[in-house]
Amino acid sequence: AQSVAQPEDQVKVAEGNPLTVKCTYSVSGNPYLFWYVQYPNRGLQFLLKYITGDNLVKGSYGFEAEFNKSQTSFHLKKPSALVSDSALYFCAVRDRGSTLGRLYFGRGTQLTVWP
Amino acid sequence: DGGITQSPKYLFRKEGQNVTLSCEQNLNHDAMYWYRQDPGQGLRLIYYSQIVNDFQKGDIAEGYSVSREKKESFPLTVTSAQKNPTAFYLCASTQSFNQPQHFGDGTRLSIL
Repeated sequence: AQSVAQPEDQVKVAEGNPLTVKCTYSVSGNPYLFWYVQYPNRGLQFLLKYITGDNLVKGSYGFEAEFNKSQTSFHLKKPSALVSDSALYFCAVRDRGSTLGRLYFGRGTQLTVWP
Repeated sequence: DGGITQSPKYLFRKEGQNVTLSCEQNLNHDAMYWYRQDPGQGLRLIYYSQIVNDFQKGDIAEGYSVSREKKESFPLTVTSAQKNPTAFYLCASTQSFNQPQHFGDGTRLSIL
């Protein structure tokens, strides 16, 4: 079975501090991994993906994520948080060996960055 | 600009009524998806379609129906059998499995 866990419902950081949003996954094969961000009453926006290659992936708006196969994790990070980063963040996984195209999403982590 | 258009943005359903949510994409994507979002539950997959005239049930298909007669369109009908339809509904599409899904801006469905 495929699944994604985001262990923290909420993460709160001060502006200028580094932020981490955690994600662990479970797939039967090798994963494709994605991070999305959602602002209120909007759809999800793609941030970054891991397909293959370098374990450190850089994405939009200064975000990056590190793929750790042994720990089955794909944590989202940013060196210096902005108030405008406050939003709902989703991690998603797809088994690259599956013939089905569906993604499995975590429950989301609400990030709050205070001034 | 290419993208996904969902309409209407807000929809109200009366008791015993079927309602249809529209999803149109001009990205020339083969695969399309419908998700339901409830607070604290993330996204749950209702139906998905990898090609025209074919679709598969997701995790919560009961009380919903879809059609895929055209590549660019994937409408979702919320039937009267869905007893708790109040939610935010998101449509998405993708060209290939190693590419991200593109999302519309959602339809918020409420009960009158």
